[in-house]
Amino acid sequence: DIQMTQSPSSLSASVGDGLTITCRASENINIYLNWYQVKPGKAPKLLIYGASTLQSGVPSRFSGSGSARDFTLTISSLQPDDFATYYCQQSYNTPYTFGQGTNLEIK
Amino acid sequence: EVQVVESGGGLVQPGGSLRLSCAASGFTFSNYIMSWVRQAPGKGLEWLSYISYSGSTTYYAESVKGRFIISRDNAESSLSLQLDNLRDDDTAVYYCVRVFIYNPASGVKGAFDFWGQGTTVIVSS
Repeated sequence: DIQMTQSPSSLSASVGDGLTITCRASENINIYLNWYQVKPGKAPKLLIYGASTLQSGVPSRFSGSGSARDFTLTISSLQPDDFATYYCQQSYNTPYTFGQGTNLEIK
Repeated sequence: EVQVVESGGGLVQPGGSLRLSCAASGFTFSNYIMSWVRQAPGKGLEWLSYISYSGSTTYYAESVKGRFIISRDNAESSLSLQLDNLRDDDTAVYYCVRVFIYNPASGVKGAFDFWGQGTTVIVSS
């Protein structure tokens, strides 16, 4: 199975801050990397697919980059609605595996 | 509007069974691969299974292979997951998920673009 490792596991930030979350795959997954936002009690939301393509309706302050094994999710200017848990996920091979998540909290 | 709505969760004893259902609307169901993903309390997301457009092909995570069965009814726009021989560690919120294939030339490589609100399964004696 392909292992996905996210860092950091948690971080605190303030509204207006910019930040980057990283995700590393245990092997080359080309660009088959997706990012999701999860909030308690709500349906998870797809943010980025194919490593860098913004899902329709997602604010442009979110961006993704990377290929092969190393990927990043960047939020350029945090808004109150952005405090959530973020997961990367590879779709290169089954089983489709997720990172362990990054919990973003308000400082 | 695209919607997927899960049902069928509940409390079940270890070794028991449940059948989860997912009603889809707002899109042509037969044009999409569908999947199930779960999240155990305090844990991350775990992909469980997917089913092809016609239902002829299925894949499972090792953790549920031989115990869970995914199926679909395209005429009814519905997805199901039969959960048998349930264990304590199957306790989780189960999500019905639509799969968006963004590179059809490369097989089933896509993203989970629409999720339901989830249905909760609790396995406990």
